[in-house]
Amino acid sequence: QVQLQESGPGLVKPSQTLSLTCLVSGVSMDSGGYYWSWIRQHPGRGLEWIGYIYNTGSAYSNSSLQGRVSISVDTSKNQFSLQLTSVTAADTAMYYCARGNNVQSKDYFDYWGQGTLVTVSS
Amino acid sequence: DIQMTQFPSSLSASVGDRVTITCRASQNIGNSLNWYQKKSGKAPKALIYSTSTLEGGVPPRFSGSGSGTEFTLTISSLHPDDFASYYCQQTYRRVGFGPGTKVEIK
Repeated sequence: QVQLQESGPGLVKPSQTLSLTCLVSGVSMDSGGYYWSWIRQHPGRGLEWIGYIYNTGSAYSNSSLQGRVSISVDTSKNQFSLQLTSVTAADTAMYYCARGNNVQSKDYFDYWGQGTLVTVSS
Repeated sequence: DIQMTQFPSSLSASVGDRVTITCRASQNIGNSLNWYQKKSGKAPKALIYSTSTLEGGVPPRFSGSGSGTEFTLTISSLHPDDFASYYCQQTYRRVGFGPGTKVEIK
């Protein structure tokens, strides 16, 4: 069974860098046809796509985050990571990792982690 | 960027009602439209992908249709477990979510 689990600090100070890791189990990240994504949900708001990465290391992010996003992958550890720089209170949210399924013309997020709440506060 | 809109933003309905949620894209996205259900405190769950294909294990009372710029999610007969928020998602160019529709109990 595919499982994803987010981990990282629940509290980050303003202007610092938010760092989260998503550990993937039940499937090798080297498997073709998948990509690995970060999504967040601000309190009381909708879902916001942050970015995604392929096992090759090619990554893409939401232009609204103005270059503050870096996503990396470590297939040897079967995990991928998110770094969001220069955080403010506006980055306080529940952060989710998810698997994008691109097999046989599909393109959707079929497995999600449970989410981790990150609060930005001094 | 492709902008996604959804309406209504919220609705009140009763168990057994037929519910329709509409999602519009700012440009043609073919059939690259997916639907998710989100309950408070839980991760989103995929319901429908590629406009109309039901994810495994999702009850057949859920259905999706549309193409191009306009899409709908229909719940044929609302169950108590269906009270939640629903999000459309385009994967035509990068990824974008609609603002969501909250389905509440009347």
